[in-house]
Amino acid sequence: KQEVTQIPAALSVPEGENLVLNCSFTDSAIYNLQWFRQDPGKGLTSLLLIQSSQREQTSGRLNASLDKSSGRSTLYIAASQPGDSATYLCAVREAAGNKLTFGGGTRVLVKP
Amino acid sequence: GAVVSQHPSWVICKSGTSVKIECRSLDFQATTMFWYRQFPKQSLMLMATSNEGSKATYEQGVEKDKFLINHASLTLSTLTVTSAHPEDSSFYICSAAGGPWETQYFGPGTRLLVL
Repeated sequence: KQEVTQIPAALSVPEGENLVLNCSFTDSAIYNLQWFRQDPGKGLTSLLLIQSSQREQTSGRLNASLDKSSGRSTLYIAASQPGDSATYLCAVREAAGNKLTFGGGTRVLVKP
Repeated sequence: GAVVSQHPSWVICKSGTSVKIECRSLDFQATTMFWYRQFPKQSLMLMATSNEGSKATYEQGVEKDKFLINHASLTLSTLTVTSAHPEDSSFYICSAAGGPWETQYFGPGTRLLVL
């Protein structure tokens, strides 16, 4: 059974610092990995999706890497802003089928 | 594109009543929809996979007689929480799979509070 772990569970940084969020998964037979943002009491916003054949994806200040063989993905957020404060979730889609397994999330607070 | 809506966005009900939550894909057809539950400060847990025109597949530990799922069309799935109790209070999120790679698109969630 796939298990997804996110470390750290919470992170607080001053504005301007770079953020590094980690996601690990136990079964490397994945179809893709996706990073989401969730604001309190809200649904999910998709940030980046990395296919299993890709090593990284970039969108603006966000960069996500994927090392499928070691079961790891890292989300980098450059030059953090208070508006980046949210919970970040990674989710792994299994290779066979369409199920997503979510990590526990990392709660990020960017202090002005 | 790929917008998913949920209705209602929040609901408060008395213990013992049933609550129906709708999930709609607004601009695409979804053969498969998913229902998740999220407790405070926890991650999303898949409850069931809903396929249009067939019975839903429930995850281990999810009572199918308590959480009734109907996927009657390619754009609508409903989750009915029957005889709701306070422990059913949670944030329920649906997703609809669409596009050539069956990517899941998420709804905004429904907050349920059972008194």
